[in-house]
Amino acid sequence: EAQVTQNPRYLITVTGKKLTVTCSQNMNHEYMSWYRQDPGLGLRQIYYSMNVEVTDKGDVPEGYKVSRKEKRNFPLILESPSPNQTSLYFCASSLAFGTVNTEAFFGQGTRLTVV
Amino acid sequence: ELKVEQNPLFLSMQEGKNYTIYCNYSTTSDRLYWYRQDPGKSLESLFVLLSNGAVKQEGRLMASLDTKARLSTLHITAAVHDLSATYFCAVDSNNDMRFGAGTRLTVKP
Repeated sequence: EAQVTQNPRYLITVTGKKLTVTCSQNMNHEYMSWYRQDPGLGLRQIYYSMNVEVTDKGDVPEGYKVSRKEKRNFPLILESPSPNQTSLYFCASSLAFGTVNTEAFFGQGTRLTVV
Repeated sequence: ELKVEQNPLFLSMQEGKNYTIYCNYSTTSDRLYWYRQDPGKSLESLFVLLSNGAVKQEGRLMASLDTKARLSTLHITAAVHDLSATYFCAVDSNNDMRFGAGTRLTVKP
């Protein structure tokens, strides 16, 4: 089954404790991205990757890191989480960017609470 | 900077009625997407609109794109309770993907 898998689904952590949210897709998609969803703000892009070893900042990259060492995986790293990073996070992938097949497939979301 | 505005943000409608959600965007793009999100769930792709004048229909939902007006509409026909969800439009332009704030639709009996 084609899917985007995020882990964990729920996470409560303390300020400053490094964490990683994993994202994996099994569709051989080139393009992957991370979004955060906050009430009234829609989805805001954090980082995106157009292919292996190619990443770039989205709208709200501060406080986040990503890596794309393999095509299928795109982890989101919070080196020193702060309470303002409490949010619902979505990973998404699509076949490619800038072509006709840019429909995105979303993971199930990770609800992160930083206390 | 690409901006995407949806309206209304909240919509409560009776079953059987028709309504339209609007999505305006600020820069040139010919790729627009509509997604649905149920409470506590992920986003599900509804429509991909790739050219001016594109119109797509699925059941009671129809989406259209006017790239000259930088406007997409999502029209709901004879709403039913199952359509209650939040609907997002998203636009991509030059590797910049932006989502609207979403329209929370509630369909009441």
